[in-house]
Amino acid sequence: DGGITQSPKYLFRKEGQNVTLSCEQNLNHDAMYWYRQDPGQGLRLIYYSQIVNDFQKGDIAEGYSVSREKKESFPLTVTSAQKNPTAFYLCASRRDLLTDTQYFGPGTRLTVL
Amino acid sequence: GESVGLHLPTLSVQEGDNSIINCAYSNSASDYFIWYKQESGKGPQFIIDIRSNMDKRQGQRVTVLLNKTVKHLSLQIAATQPGDSAVYFCAEKDSGYSTLTFGKGTMLLVSP
Repeated sequence: DGGITQSPKYLFRKEGQNVTLSCEQNLNHDAMYWYRQDPGQGLRLIYYSQIVNDFQKGDIAEGYSVSREKKESFPLTVTSAQKNPTAFYLCASRRDLLTDTQYFGPGTRLTVL
Repeated sequence: GESVGLHLPTLSVQEGDNSIINCAYSNSASDYFIWYKQESGKGPQFIIDIRSNMDKRQGQRVTVLLNKTVKHLSLQIAATQPGDSAVYFCAEKDSGYSTLTFGKGTMLLVSP
């Protein structure tokens, strides 16, 4: 996991509720990413941030929001507008613009009841 | 744990065999490639990467081969062990972007 923590490991939410997933890294990495993983599919990019106070939409940003107020933190909010939020959510970080390797956290399993 | 392996292509090998996992890509502008290992319910773990100016790169028990002519990437695992059982993903990066595009993965099953 290399200094990337995600909490909680399992999260349950009722339909219509917003929920925030935590991602923290102590690697002093500049860039952070959020992915969604569904069974039998590749990782899909939700949002990413290359610098504090800036972030970009990925391929499936609808129904999600993020913030990057601190370098080490990149929380993801799953809003009630996300139609199918049950999935495994993965956070990753990358050292800087000169490197390409992304390192992943342990993931959060979100289940909508 | 997370059933990331549902409906994935599967490679079954015996302990001690060499394993080869393949990945095809379509973007000729991709300049960086990476392999991850993911165990059930866990986050992907970096294995090895390679840039497009190389054809081969070796790590501990693993080798990545890149054939740009046919847009093909492979991961070779020597002397496969039961602990190697997992889903393996390849990913690529377009030279003009800072994001990775992931393949769906291959499940490797190693029998003792």
